[in-house]
Amino acid sequence: DADVTQTPRNRITKTGKRIMLECSQTKGHDRMYWYRQDPGLGLRLIYYSFDVKDINKGEISDGYSVSRQAQAKFSLSLESAIPNQTALYFCATSGGQGSNTGELFFGEGSRLTVL
Amino acid sequence: EDKVVQSPLSLVVHEGDTVTLNCSYEVTNFRSLLWYKQEKKAPTFLFMLTSSGIEKKSGRLSSILDKKELFSILNITATQTGDSAIYLCAVDSGAGSYQLTFGKGTKLSVIP
Repeated sequence: DADVTQTPRNRITKTGKRIMLECSQTKGHDRMYWYRQDPGLGLRLIYYSFDVKDINKGEISDGYSVSRQAQAKFSLSLESAIPNQTALYFCATSGGQGSNTGELFFGEGSRLTVL
Repeated sequence: EDKVVQSPLSLVVHEGDTVTLNCSYEVTNFRSLLWYKQEKKAPTFLFMLTSSGIEKKSGRLSSILDKKELFSILNITATQTGDSAIYLCAVDSGAGSYQLTFGKGTKLSVIP
């Protein structure tokens, strides 16, 4: 089983719909992240969380919200999806306090298409 | 604003060729530079570099960092079709946050 699991893996929706992407991890990491990837633009950070009570906006947070339900769960919501949110979304984790590395561990990705 | 620039953006080579991928960066507070390989979906970790001039190696892949000139290179020798992927460079800009800033990636295609 994957250490970082994302659901759904693929989703097609319509403009204006609310969408939630979920992420769970079994690595025991404190830090969790949501990135989106667009062709030619690399990975861009949407939100990140260093523990359940700590949520931070990333580079491109507009139009998104997150919830850290537990140490192992971090969900991303699009309250009213629009076509330019069509992208591949990645959840990632990294080691917490005591870890001296910025290495990220990625989920398999959730491909979202907004029509 | 932190910036990571990779070049070339795409590259096509024949099996057996040696390739060099470049990554330059401008960040306010450098902690480390990381290389990832992305074949189909999730990026997978290759190397983390923190010190200048110390080469990291894994099989046919190697990487080195120059903190004075603010760049890193990733070398792949004797390329194989399985090396076809997007190679991502990211910089950890520290400040206690472990936020990675990614470059746009280099798409490498190795043809038989």
